[in-house]
Amino acid sequence: GQQLNQSPQSMFIQEGEDVSMNCTSSSIFNTWLWYKQDPGEGPVLLIALYKAGELTSNGRLTAQFGITRKDSFLNISASIPSDVGIYFCAGQTSGTYKYIFGTGTRLKVLA
Amino acid sequence: DGGITQSPKYLFRKEGQNVTLSCEQNLNHDAMYWYRQDPGQGLRLIYYSQIVNDFQKGDIAEGYSVSREKKESFPLTVTSAQKNPTAFYLCASSKDRHNEQFFGPGTRLTVL
Repeated sequence: GQQLNQSPQSMFIQEGEDVSMNCTSSSIFNTWLWYKQDPGEGPVLLIALYKAGELTSNGRLTAQFGITRKDSFLNISASIPSDVGIYFCAGQTSGTYKYIFGTGTRLKVLA
Repeated sequence: DGGITQSPKYLFRKEGQNVTLSCEQNLNHDAMYWYRQDPGQGLRLIYYSQIVNDFQKGDIAEGYSVSREKKESFPLTVTSAQKNPTAFYLCASSKDRHNEQFFGPGTRLTVL
C-alpha cells in the first residue's frame, strides 16, 4: 500500500531558529497538504499545494511541492514558542478521494 | 462563523455499548470524512461520504457505522463490535473530494 514517510519524527530547536521537515511518498501525489495539530485539538490546515514545483508561503511558513511529485517540504522561519505542536503532511493521488497522512513531526521550541 | 463542530469533546463508554459521535459542518461542503487517530500513527480513514445518502468504507470501517441524511451532518456510531475503540476521533469536510480537508476539534472516546 501507499506509504508516507515524514521526518524528522521530533525536533527541539531554539527560539528564533529556522526549521525544516519533509515528507516522502512511494507514490506520485497531485496534492500535498500541511497541517499543525495542538494537543487534544483537530489539525489546522496551514498550506495546500497543487502543482509540482509550487512554492507557497503562509506568514513564516513556506512549503514546496517536490519536482518528482513524491515529496514535499515545510520550512518555518524564526521559530517562536507557539510553533510548538505536531506537523502533519498529507498527500492525495489523482483520481482518488483518499488522503494519506504522515505520522507527524513533533516540534518543541526552547525559549 | 463557518466551521466544523464535533460533540462531545470527551466520551466515556462501557464495554458492549454503542456510542454515537456527532459531526456538523456549516461550510456547505459536499464531502465529509471520519478519521481515527492513535498515538504515533497517521490518521486512518474510517468512512467517507461524497454526497448526501451516500458513503463508502475507508481503511478501518469494521465496528463502525455512519449515516448521511443531511448535507451538514455525518454522525459516526462506534459499535460494540469495534475491538479497540479507545482513540481520538476526527471529522473532516471538503468542498468535494479533490479539495483540501478541514478538521473539527475532535472527540476523545475512552472505553472503560
